[in-house]
Amino acid sequence: GAGVSQSPRYKVAKRGQDVALRCDPISGHVSLFWYQQALGQGPEFLTYFQNEAQLDKSGLPSDRFFAERPEGSVSTLKIQRTQQEDSAVYLCASSVNRGSETQYFGPGTRLLVL
Amino acid sequence: AQSVAQPEDQVNVAEGNPLTVKCTYSVSGNPYLFWYVQYPNRGLQFLLKYITGDNLVKGSYGFEAEFNKSQTSFHLKKPSALVSDSALYFCAVRAVMEYGNKLVFGAGTILRVKS
Repeated sequence: GAGVSQSPRYKVAKRGQDVALRCDPISGHVSLFWYQQALGQGPEFLTYFQNEAQLDKSGLPSDRFFAERPEGSVSTLKIQRTQQEDSAVYLCASSVNRGSETQYFGPGTRLLVL
Repeated sequence: AQSVAQPEDQVNVAEGNPLTVKCTYSVSGNPYLFWYVQYPNRGLQFLLKYITGDNLVKGSYGFEAEFNKSQTSFHLKKPSALVSDSALYFCAVRAVMEYGNKLVFGAGTILRVKS
């Protein structure tokens, strides 16, 4: 079946621009996660949704980062007034439900802020 | 707080030889441990997990991992390496949040298998 998909795969933004990154989770998956992977590092947790509810956003690095999942399926991660330090790969993952341990990851969006 | 350490930045193995990628963890409570693999310009692919039960866990593509509670380790192993196994490998531990679980990852280990 179809896995997690993300778009765009690559995004180049000028410093100060706003960007929006999209995630389509596996159909029927209740839980959705966003992670940030800086170059040469492991992914780091940003935020978590259960259906449409954002239950944890403790990993968002600043108030320029905003995520939503209004209908409990597709999610968008928005970064306002991008900075060079926002350059990273943004990974989306989904899991069947809250109690499911395995997260399935999308291919990621590579963001480069110039 | 939960954490994971992957002590080797890179592991080099000859094709056909056994491979081991090391991981140690620190958690409060019972550990839920995972291995993921990442190929260039692709997302993380799930390999295997340890929740409970047998200390030797078998996963995808012939990989297995051994859970050792006394050494707080969860090393990834494969009896015979393939060139196609060359990739970036991440160990992760579950961290319980108030309303769900997140994964805490190590820094990753590059595996290079030479023919």
